[in-house]
Amino acid sequence: QSALTQPASVSGSPGQSITISCAGTSSDVGGDSYVSWYQQHPGKAPKLMIYNVNNRPSGVSDRFSGSKSGNTASLTISGLQAEDEADYHCSSYTSSSTPVVFGGGTRLTVL
Amino acid sequence: EVQLLESGGDLVQPGGSLRLSCAASISTFNTYAMTWVRQAPGKGLEFVSVISGSGGSTHYADSVKGRFTISRDNSKNTLYLQMNNLRAEDTAVYYCAKTFLGSIFWGMDVWGQGTTVTVSS
Repeated sequence: QSALTQPASVSGSPGQSITISCAGTSSDVGGDSYVSWYQQHPGKAPKLMIYNVNNRPSGVSDRFSGSKSGNTASLTISGLQAEDEADYHCSSYTSSSTPVVFGGGTRLTVL
Repeated sequence: EVQLLESGGDLVQPGGSLRLSCAASISTFNTYAMTWVRQAPGKGLEFVSVISGSGGSTHYADSVKGRFTISRDNSKNTLYLQMNNLRAEDTAVYYCAKTFLGSIFWGMDVWGQGTTVTVSS
C-alpha cells in the first residue's frame, strides 16, 4: 500500500479538463509545499511536471497545474490531448524516516 | 543535455547481492543530490534512497534500510547502489534520478532509462 492515495484511473475526452487527487497526511502533503507530480508513458521513465505544489519546470505545458488543500494535493490537466494519456504519480517530501513518498499512480485515459 | 545511464541489473537469487551504477553526463554532478527510485511490475514508484552532492548525507526507505547502500564517486560522475540480502519484493525497475534544483524537496527532473533487477530462485 502506497503512502499517498490516488485514484486508480480517470478518464476524459479531448478538450475537457480532469483533476487527479493525491491524499496524504499532515506529515507529508499537508506539512509543507513539497509536492511533485510526474507523468509516465508506458515503458518510459517518469517526467517531472509539477514541483512545489504548483510550479512547472521549463518546457512543461501550462495546461498542467497543481494545487493543494489541507492534506490533499491535486493535478489538473486542461484541454486534454491524446498525448496526455499516461500514468501520473504524485510525490511528497515527508517528515517521517523515509524522506520521500509516492502515490500509487493514476492511469489517465483520453477517450 | 543531461543524461543518466544505469547498468548492473540482473537476475539474482534471494539473499544475493548486486551493485547498480548510474553514469551521469553532468559537468556539475557534485552539486546535485541524486536518488534511486524503483518500480515493481505494474506498480507505482517507490523512493529507495538519496545522497547529497558531497556524498556526506544519505537517507533510505525503511524497506531497504540496513540492506542497501547508496554512494557516489564525483570524480567519475557515477552514482551507485549496493544491494545486499535481496528479497523477492526487491524485484523492480530501478531508476537513478537527479534532483531538481539540487534538493530532494523539489522532486527529480532527469531520469535514467532504468535497469531491471529480478530476485528469484
